[in-house]
Amino acid sequence: DQQVKQNSPSLSVQEGRISILNCDYTNSMFDYFLWYKKYPAEGPTFLISISSIKDKNEDGRFTVFLNKSAKHLSLHIVPSQPGDSAVYFCAASRGKAAGNKLTFGGGTRVLVKP
Amino acid sequence: DGGITQSPKYLFRKEGQNVTLSCEQNLNHDAMYWYRQDPGQGLRLIYYSQIVNDFQKGDIAEGYSVSREKKESFPLTVTSAQKNPTAFYLCASSIMARVSTNYGYTFGSGTRLTVV
Repeated sequence: DQQVKQNSPSLSVQEGRISILNCDYTNSMFDYFLWYKKYPAEGPTFLISISSIKDKNEDGRFTVFLNKSAKHLSLHIVPSQPGDSAVYFCAASRGKAAGNKLTFGGGTRVLVKP
Repeated sequence: DGGITQSPKYLFRKEGQNVTLSCEQNLNHDAMYWYRQDPGQGLRLIYYSQIVNDFQKGDIAEGYSVSREKKESFPLTVTSAQKNPTAFYLCASSIMARVSTNYGYTFGSGTRLTVV
């Protein structure tokens, strides 16, 4: 049972345009959500996060939106740059009750074309 | 600089052999984790440890073993019982969550294991 899903395995976008990555979850106990970026043969690096008490969090070119009723979150990257080409993972946590354990989605590969 | 180190970066193993992947962190993090990534798939949790001398199975623990004798170290052994061990293995660490915060993970750079 996959509790965190990223239904789009890949996304191609022109440089300067917006990239929108989507993530759905099924477990209503999740209360903290994170996005990680991963380059080939490297470990993922933290990008941005959002708590369930908020519906938006912004950090520079990256904005994460959370719709709790729909159990859906999205990551917006604007403007997209060639260096943003990577795999992006959505992750969710149940907080302290689950010992900080993160559940990851399957990832979305983003290609930004110059 | 604080960080998390995985070694080796590439590892080849003959079928039927056990192999141990190293993971060391100097971040003073309480919790450590092992994930596996297969081509085109997400990260699947193998084992995790929240405190020294204690660890729990993740979603795909069969064929793997771990130990947590020191806070800084969380080695993963891939045993011959693991039927499909070829994968990219990622180690991570984190501060244990406070009441209302979650600090996320710091990942190592990974070990690619190939069974030959």
